[in-house]
Amino acid sequence: GENVEQHPSTLSVQEGDSAVIKCTYSDSASNYFPWYKQELGKGPQLIIDIRSNVGEKKDQRIAVTLNKTAKHFSLHITETQPEDSAVYFCAASRTGDKIIFGKGTRLHILP
Amino acid sequence: DTAVSQTPKYLVTQMGNDKSIKCEQNLGHDTMYWYKQDSKKFLKIMFSYNNKELIINETVPNRFSPKSPDKAHLNLHINSLELGDSAVYFCASGTGPNSPLHFGNGTRLTVT
Repeated sequence: GENVEQHPSTLSVQEGDSAVIKCTYSDSASNYFPWYKQELGKGPQLIIDIRSNVGEKKDQRIAVTLNKTAKHFSLHITETQPEDSAVYFCAASRTGDKIIFGKGTRLHILP
Repeated sequence: DTAVSQTPKYLVTQMGNDKSIKCEQNLGHDTMYWYKQDSKKFLKIMFSYNNKELIINETVPNRFSPKSPDKAHLNLHINSLELGDSAVYFCASGTGPNSPLHFGNGTRLTVT
């Protein structure tokens, strides 16, 4: 079955700097890669997703890149702000199958 | 106008008791899920229902019994609660496998 590894487990960046979270997956048939943000006391919320026919996707300060050959994908957050502090999860799935989550990255934005 | 709502938000109970968590979605989705998040924040799927029919059961102990009276509701009943059941349980909905999930805000279950 699919296995998703996520690094780092904790990340601290100065406000205004960029943050990068990396994930690898094991199943070459995986073709859907969402990212979720979980704030304290709330459920995970989808922030961006990418499908395997696209190498990069951007939405304002958030971007995701996908390298199918290497089986890894990354989340990039630019110009970080205090409200970006949260736990971020990457995930992967193949057509018709369940979504498998990484173990999460706790992002701290330092003032 | 909450999209996925689950109740209760907090549940504290003693070992051996039976408890239920309710979930409702108003997004018109066909698929609903239960996830368990442990103390290390790891999210693990437990069950998935599509149009009231069970499609995923991830080797969860049979003390856990989901029930879907209609496609907008998915409840979780837990018998003979154990200390290891303490976790946050999330309900989610979506349009099917391989598509975005919409999560509720979770039910924090504490078994003492």
